[in-house]
Formats: sequence, structure tokens, C-alpha cells
Amino acid sequence: EVQLLESGGGLVQPGGSLRLSCAASGFTFSSYAMTWVRQAPGKGLEWVSLISAAGGNTYYADSVKGRFTFSRDNSKNTIYLQMNSLRAEDTAVFYCARSSAYAFDFWGQGTMVTVSS
Amino acid sequence: DIQMTQSPSSLSASVGERVTITCRTSQIISTYLNWYQQKPGKAPKVLISATSSLQSGVPSRFSGSGSGTDFTLTISSLQPEDIATYYCQQRYNIPYTFGQGTKLEIK
Repeated sequence: EVQLLESGGGLVQPGGSLRLSCAASGFTFSSYAMTWVRQAPGKGLEWVSLISAAGGNTYYADSVKGRFTFSRDNSKNTIYLQMNSLRAEDTAVFYCARSSAYAFDFWGQGTMVTVSS
Repeated sequence: DIQMTQSPSSLSASVGERVTITCRTSQIISTYLNWYQQKPGKAPKVLISATSSLQSGVPSRFSGSGSGTDFTLTISSLQPEDIATYYCQQRYNIPYTFGQGTKLEIK
């Protein structure tokens, strides 16, 4: 059974940093690209970032480029999202998801990030 | 970036009714269009990938069609458990944009 478990969310002040993790199990982790999608309270889904299966390529939404860094450790079946210079508008539930050939086919339960003073 | 326009933004329908949600993209995306269902407080779940490929375990009352810039999600006979918000998403170009969502309610 595919499982994705996010952690690391919480309350942080504007300008602060936070690192999210997502531990994967139930599939060959190193064979899949992975992605982060976020959802601000009461709003729709926003794609944030994607990392290739081997970790050599990363892609970001313009809204987070230069502030967020996506990485993975295939030996630990875990992905990470380092978030720096956080802003109020980054407040959201962050979901990690597996990226198959066509869609984001499995999702974690999400972790809440709140940026507020 | 590819813009996604879903309609309607909300929809109220009766149990057993046929429901159609549309998604229009700002440029041609071939068939790289997915549909997700999100129930309140839950993570999204992919229903249909590549325009019309039903994901494993998804009821056959869900179907997808379209190509180019115009796509449709159809529920042939609405059931109470289908109450959710539905999102389209393009996988043609990064950034992988989502539609704004269609909130489906029971009348």
C-alpha cells in the first residue's frame, strides 16, 4: 500500500524558515518523481514544486522560486521542502504527492503551515 | 503559464442526475488533462488521468472526455458520496496548473 506521510508544519513568523518532510512507503521510491501542492485556507490547489526521480532536476512555481528548495534522499525514501523567507501568503496545507506519468496519483494527508506574527 | 477555467464554480444537483463539469485551457494541451476529487478535510484524489483514463477503484459513473482546449468531467448518475470539490489540472507544461474548482452539492 502506497503511503505518504508529511511532517514539519507549524507556526512561523514572517521571514522565517521551515522544513517539511514527506516519508514514502509501499512503492519503489527512487523510480518516481515527487511533487508538493499547497492549498491556502478556503482556496483551491496550487502546484508548488516537482523533483525528478533521481533528484537531479527540480522545478518551482514562480511564487516560491528562490525561496523554497526541494530535495530528496532516496536512501531514506523521503523528500524535503526547505522554505525560507516565508510570507503570510504561504499559509496553507502542504501536500506531498507521487507524480506518475500522467497525474499525481497518491497524496499524503497534508501538513499545515501558518505564517503569522 | 497555462490558464485553467472551470465551470461552473458551484453546482447543485439531485441524486441520480447527470452532472457535467467543464474545463477550458488557455492553450492546446493535447490530452494531458486530469481530474481530482477533494472531499472536505481530505487530500485530493485523482479520478481521471490523460483526459479519459479512469483510475483504479473509481466508479464507472465518472467519465472524462475532450481534447485540445476543452474538457469535460461527467457523473452519469450523481450519488450522495460524490459531494466534493472537483479540480482539473494540466500536465502539459510546468507549472502544472489547476482549475479553480467546482463545488458540487446535493439539491
